[in-house]
Amino acid sequence: EIVLTQSPGTLSLSPGERATLSCRASQSVSSSYLAWYQQKPGQAPRLLIYGASSRATGIPDRFSGSGSGTDFTLTISRLEPEDFAVYYCQQYGSSPTTFGPGTKVDIK
Amino acid sequence: QVQLVQSGAEVKKPGSSVKVSCKASGGTFSSYAISWVRQAPGQGLEWMGRIIPILGIANYAQKFQGRVTITADKSTSTAYMELSSLRSEDTAVYYCARDQEWELVILDYWGQGTLVTVSS
Repeated sequence: EIVLTQSPGTLSLSPGERATLSCRASQSVSSSYLAWYQQKPGQAPRLLIYGASSRATGIPDRFSGSGSGTDFTLTISRLEPEDFAVYYCQQYGSSPTTFGPGTKVDIK
Repeated sequence: QVQLVQSGAEVKKPGSSVKVSCKASGGTFSSYAISWVRQAPGQGLEWMGRIIPILGIANYAQKFQGRVTITADKSTSTAYMELSSLRSEDTAVYYCARDQEWELVILDYWGQGTLVTVSS
């Protein structure tokens, strides 16, 4: 199965700053079948991005995704207070679907 | 608007089984798939398996093969996940989620989660 690695483990930033999160796969993710989810404490994950770069319904345009092959990036252009959370990448191009270990974005 | 409402928290003994339900409203239950994902305390997300209700076909992650059974009742728009031979490592929050497409596991709507605690 494809193993996903996320970096950094924790990202400490201030509101208004730009966040860049990385997700690396152990082998190429077919057709850029890579998604990103946001999870806040005590809540279910929320789909942000699928197909590496397509925003899910209702997701603000400050969230953007890019990448292909084995390297993918989630960028939050300007952090809002509600964006401090844990972010997971997920590949769904190869069975079984797998998730990365997460990147926590916390307030500096 | 799709909503997935899960059954309540459970406390189980090691070796027993648990069955968690996930009732869907909004959308057309039979036209999409339902996945189950679990999250151990303080840990990441782990996909367990999925079902396409209209076909009644389920597939499972190899790790859970033989221990998990996912079913669906189209008449009540409810999916179920049963996990047997429980051990302490199965203590986790179990989520159901809608797969945006039949062929691809893109999870666009999630249930609120069900905490299953395995303890003697």
